[in-house]
Amino acid sequence: GQQVMQIPQYQHVQEGEDFTTYCNSSTTLSNIQWYKQRPGGHPVFLIQLVKSGEVKKQKRLTFQFGEAKKNSSLHITATQTTDVGTYFCAGPRNNDMRFGAGTRLTVKP
Amino acid sequence: EAQVTQNPRYLITVTGKKLTVTCSQNMNHEYMSWYRQDPGLGLRQIYYSMNVEVTDKGDVPEGYKVSRKEKRNFPLILESPSPNQTSLYFCASTKTLTGFTDTQYFGPGTRLTVL
Repeated sequence: GQQVMQIPQYQHVQEGEDFTTYCNSSTTLSNIQWYKQRPGGHPVFLIQLVKSGEVKKQKRLTFQFGEAKKNSSLHITATQTTDVGTYFCAGPRNNDMRFGAGTRLTVKP
Repeated sequence: EAQVTQNPRYLITVTGKKLTVTCSQNMNHEYMSWYRQDPGLGLRQIYYSMNVEVTDKGDVPEGYKVSRKEKRNFPLILESPSPNQTSLYFCASTKTLTGFTDTQYFGPGTRLTVL
């Protein structure tokens, strides 16, 4: 069945450094969503990408959807302590949603 | 305020004692689902419901039941909980399921421990 793989599992950075998490699907996705979960919190929707090659930005966050619509990335420029949390990608499969295992980001001040 | 609520938020129980975790949304969403979150495994879907009286299995349905008698409510039932069901559970809802073009809204989570 469809698998959504996400790497790395953990990332520890110094405040101000950049951060990237990658998501790969075994099948073509109609769209991909990204979520952020703060420690002790629940997943919160960040963005959805639909088009092949699409790039979207939210302040310091840049999201990309691959040309083949099988991979995606989230890049954070100049991380801040408020960026701490786990970032998940998720892609639909028929009537359900498959989540990646998440990348847990910690930021050292 | 648009939200998904879950109760209880924390629960410690013993093996075999039936329990229900409630979930309610006030956004008139058609699609609701339950996930469990375990370290290193991300979010795995347990059951989902595309509308009232329509439910289906997700990735990890064994040991769970659900019902959808009303649009706003989607309870998760563990008839005979076992220690391997110790986990963090999230309920989520989304407006429709047309290609998943809508964001999912998650509840605050229920941390369940089965002894």
